Amino acid sequence: SQQGEEDPQALSIQEGENATMNCSYKTSINNLQWYRQNSGRGLVHLILIRSNEREKHSGRLRVTLDTSKKSSSLLITASRAADTASYFCATETNTNAGKSTFGDGTTLTVKP
Amino acid sequence: DAGVIQSPRHEVTEMGQEVTLRCKPISGHNSLFWYRQTMMRGLELLIYFNNNVPIDDSGMPEDRFSAKMPNASFSTLKIQPSEPRDSAVYFCASSRDRSAGGEETQYFGPGTRLLVL
Repeated sequence: SQQGEEDPQALSIQEGENATMNCSYKTSINNLQWYRQNSGRGLVHLILIRSNEREKHSGRLRVTLDTSKKSSSLLITASRAADTASYFCATETNTNAGKSTFGDGTTLTVKP
Repeated sequence: DAGVIQSPRHEVTEMGQEVTLRCKPISGHNSLFWYRQTMMRGLELLIYFNNNVPIDDSGMPEDRFSAKMPNASFSTLKIQPSEPRDSAVYFCASSRDRSAGGEETQYFGPGTRLLVL
């Protein structure tokens, strides 16, 4: 089964609203990363959070990590139509350093 | 920097034919990853190399799949013979070696969209 699983599978919001996506994983991790994929394109790295960190910010992105619950969330504030994409979490574990396992992704649609 | 380069971008072939996908990683990166993405199975890691050496090929689905990295700037993924169920988007990604002070971020190429008829 997948190490990282995103929730929800699909999310549709209006421009200006905030979007929250969640990722749960099963085994202890070294780090967790969020990637974005526009339709027909490759994945683009957004942000990395390490196992000893609880929160990170990058522009309109905020990522939290709760290692006790084995979960992470990605918050996009003041969403824009251009944020429409699929968002994936990827986890790297102690036993698989250098190799990240991707979840199935959350498809975000931001309506103008 | 041109980023990760993949070719071809699209490939349509008939069942039984050999398919070769190519990847040029970002200069200075010495970890290279091959992924396959489908609607049914999502993004799957097929194989990854570090310093041109295959480290983990447990994701390679069958013996019909093979990958090589003859030097630091080139890798191929070959499917022989191809089957309709191999139809997918194949991504190559590269990253710097952690032990050399690199980071975990992977940089993805644009992908090769493969259709096997």
